[in-house]
Amino acid sequence: EAEVAQSPRYKITEKSQAVAFWCDPISGHATLYWYRQILGQGPELLVQFQDESVVDDSQLPKDRFSAERLKGVDSTLKIQPAELGDSAMYLCASSDWETQYFGPGTRLLVL
Amino acid sequence: AQSVTQLGSHVSVSEGALVLLRCNYSSSVPPYLFWYVQYPNQGLQLLLKYTSAATLVKGINGFEAEFKKSETSFHLTKPSAHMSDAAEYFCAVSMGGNKLTFGTGTQLKVEL
Repeated sequence: EAEVAQSPRYKITEKSQAVAFWCDPISGHATLYWYRQILGQGPELLVQFQDESVVDDSQLPKDRFSAERLKGVDSTLKIQPAELGDSAMYLCASSDWETQYFGPGTRLLVL
Repeated sequence: AQSVTQLGSHVSVSEGALVLLRCNYSSSVPPYLFWYVQYPNQGLQLLLKYTSAATLVKGINGFEAEFKKSETSFHLTKPSAHMSDAAEYFCAVSMGGNKLTFGTGTQLKVEL
């Protein structure tokens, strides 16, 4: 069964450093999402791509976060500089229109 | 705007007992509704979905949910809890092809 791949699974960094997360969606899925999940809460959308275009990035803190999906396949989410409040699980999902399928996530800890 | 309310952040049941996790939604258009399960330090796994077909939806691991438009509810049930069902459960709503709006989650504990 096809799955969404994410790496790394865990990342520890110091505040003010740069971090990057990678996501490879299920083959053929044109829509890709990045969510942030703070401990004890439900995931919240950061950015949605349709192919290589951003559809919704209204909740993305653009002063420090950036996301790209250059060839409309895999995607990278970057944080620079990281802040203590960025500690969370970062989840990637891809969609066949009706249903979103999630990857295993990247757990980020900022010290 | 769409939203989801999950009543009860923690639910505890005995092994073999009925599981009932509550979800109420708000949506200005006919919604798509989902239940996901999350085990510690893992991503979300789809349990079941409602996309305007049958109102009683059967999912994996013996779970099912019923869409009740009059009550704006989509409660998740399982007749007999198993220890392996202990996890966090999220109800979510979308308008199809767009972002999911999640509830705050319900932590299910299964006791012997």
